[in-house]
Amino acid sequence: GQQVMQIPQYQHVQEGEDFTTYCNSSTTLSNIQWYKQRPGGHPVFLIQLVKSGEVKKQKRLTFQFGEAKKNSSLHITATQTTDVGTYFCAGKGHDMRFGAGTRLTVKP
Amino acid sequence: DSGVTQTPKHLITATGQRVTLRCSPRSGDLSVYWYQQSLDQGLQFLIQYYNGEERAKGNILERFSAQQFPDLHSELNLSSLELGDSALYFCASSVTGDGTDTQYFGPGTRLTVL
Repeated sequence: GQQVMQIPQYQHVQEGEDFTTYCNSSTTLSNIQWYKQRPGGHPVFLIQLVKSGEVKKQKRLTFQFGEAKKNSSLHITATQTTDVGTYFCAGKGHDMRFGAGTRLTVKP
Repeated sequence: DSGVTQTPKHLITATGQRVTLRCSPRSGDLSVYWYQQSLDQGLQFLIQYYNGEERAKGNILERFSAQQFPDLHSELNLSSLELGDSALYFCASSVTGDGTDTQYFGPGTRLTVL
């Protein structure tokens, strides 16, 4: 069945360092969404990518959708303590499936 | 505040018991999703409803069931509870439920099975 894999599971960075999380699907996706869950909170929608090779930016966050529409990445430039949380990708194949998430911690 | 409400916020019960979790979607949203998040785990999709009908099913146990009512609120019923069912249960809603629109998550219900 459809699987969405996300790596790494955990990432600890020093404030100011960059961070990247990767999402890979076993099947071609029609779209991919990214969500952020702050500690103790609920997931909150960040962005949706639909087109092959699409790149979108939100301030220090850059989202990419692979050419084959089977993988995606989220890159944060110069992390800040406000970036802490778990980042989830969610891919739409037959239905919407979430990755396991990458938990980011940032040391000030 | 996402506009999605879930009750109760916390629930503590014993093994073998049955509980019902309730979710009210955002105004105008026709689709409701249920997810289970165990400690330090990702979001496990359980089931989705659209306008009262089941649309998609994930890894939902036979001991679990759900429904969406005519007023679009949804309930998740968990029976014969086991220790391993302890988790945070999220409800999310979206307008179309076709996977292309944003899911808005509620604050979750934390279930503890003792």
